[in-house]
Amino acid sequence: QAVVTQEPSLTVSPGGTVTLTCGSSTGAVTSGHYPYWFQQKPGQAPRTLIYDTSNKHSWTPARFSGSLLGGKAALTLSGAQPEDEAEYYCLLSYSGARGGVFGGGTKLTVL
Amino acid sequence: QLQLQESGPGLVKPSETLSLTCTVSGGSISSSSYYWGWIRQPPGKGLEWIGSIYYSGSTYYNPSLKSRVTISVDTSKNQFSLKLSSVTAADTAVYYCAASPVPIGVWNWGQGTLVTVSS
Repeated sequence: QAVVTQEPSLTVSPGGTVTLTCGSSTGAVTSGHYPYWFQQKPGQAPRTLIYDTSNKHSWTPARFSGSLLGGKAALTLSGAQPEDEAEYYCLLSYSGARGGVFGGGTKLTVL
Repeated sequence: QLQLQESGPGLVKPSETLSLTCTVSGGSISSSSYYWGWIRQPPGKGLEWIGSIYYSGSTYYNPSLKSRVTISVDTSKNQFSLKLSSVTAADTAVYYCAASPVPIGVWNWGQGTLVTVSS
C-alpha cells in the first residue's frame, strides 16, 4: 500500500505564512490523486478544509489554500491565527482498487 | 445540512465482529450525490480510511482491511453500516462515518464513536 508523508510538526508565528506538504511513496502527487486536507483539534472530529487539490468549502477560512507544489500536495496558511493551531491531515486517492490513504498528520503550532 | 450520527457498542470482545450504524439526517441516503464511508482513528494516532459505499451498493474498501470489512446501506432507515470481523486490540479506535461526493473523500463527518476491543 502507498505511504503518504507529511511533516510531523511545524511552527508558525501569528500572522505568518506556512506551507504543509503531502507526498506519495508512488511518485509525484497529481490532481488525479484528488488531494483533500482536514483540520482536527483535540477532542473533535476532523473538519474538511480543501477538496480536489484546491477547492474550498463554504466554511473554509479564506486564509487557507491548496495547491500542487514540487510533486506534492500543499496546504498554505497565510496570516495564521491562534485558532489555527491543530493537527492537519491530507488524504490521497489511488486508482486500481488501492483506495484512499491518509498522511500521518502535521501538528501545527502557532507561536 | 447533512448530519451524520454513529451508534453501536462501545466494547467488543477479541475475535468478535464490530458493528456500527450511521444515521443520516438532512438528506437521503438514496441520493446520487453522495458516497457513504467510514474512517477510524486509534487513540493518539492518525486517520485510516476504511471504505465507502454508493446507494446502488457499489463498495470501495481499504485493501489492508478488505477481507474483514463489510459496508452496507439500509435505505428504509436512511442508515448505513460497518461490520469488521475478527477484531483485535489493534482495531480499538474512534470510528467516524462520513459523506462524500466521490468514493474516496470526506465532505461531512459524524462526531465519531469510540470502540474498544477488550475481553
